[in-house]
Amino acid sequence: AQSVTQLDSQVPVFEEAPVELRCNYSSSVSVYLFWYVQYPNQGLQLLLKYLSGSTLVKGINGFEAEFNKSQTSFHLRKPSVHISDTAEYFCAVNRMDSSYKLIFGSGTRLLVRP
Amino acid sequence: DAMVIQNPRYQVTQFGKPVTLSCSQTLNHNVMYWYQQKSSQAPKLLFHYYDKDFNNEADTPDNFQSRRPNTSFCFLDIRSPGLGDAAMYLCATSRVQGGQPQHFGDGTRLSIL
Repeated sequence: AQSVTQLDSQVPVFEEAPVELRCNYSSSVSVYLFWYVQYPNQGLQLLLKYLSGSTLVKGINGFEAEFNKSQTSFHLRKPSVHISDTAEYFCAVNRMDSSYKLIFGSGTRLLVRP
Repeated sequence: DAMVIQNPRYQVTQFGKPVTLSCSQTLNHNVMYWYQQKSSQAPKLLFHYYDKDFNNEADTPDNFQSRRPNTSFCFLDIRSPGLGDAAMYLCATSRVQGGQPQHFGDGTRLSIL
């Protein structure tokens, strides 16, 4: 079975500060990795994904994530956050031998303060 | 723009009164999903369709049903809504190949009176 752990339920940060949202996963098979963002009263929007190749993945809105196979982690980072980045962020995995189901983490609420 | 559209955005129904939520897509994706999301929680998969093949999650209550009359449309029927069914319902689509991201609609927020 797979599981995804997002270690922080809420991360408060000041505007223009850097931020890292942590994600660890466990799986008996190789996985694809995703980060989604959800703004209030909206659906989930894909930020970035890791399928293969370079372990540093760049996404939309200035976010990036690094896949670390030995630590089974896929942490999300942004060097300088804006107020508009306040949202819920979900890490998710998709087994390579199971075409389409996503396993979500419990989410991290990023709260950017002025 | 190709997208996933959910109607209505907000739905209010009475306890026990059947309700139907709808989802349409212009992406021509094989797979369509329905998720339930409660406040401050991750989306919970209820079921999905791969083309016309229906796949129910083991813990989805019988109160929840779905129909997919064609590639573009998918419906979520709640036969007898209880207070615990108040939630955001999200529709998503994807291609069937591994590693393909899911594309989400903006959801329908269901309230039960």
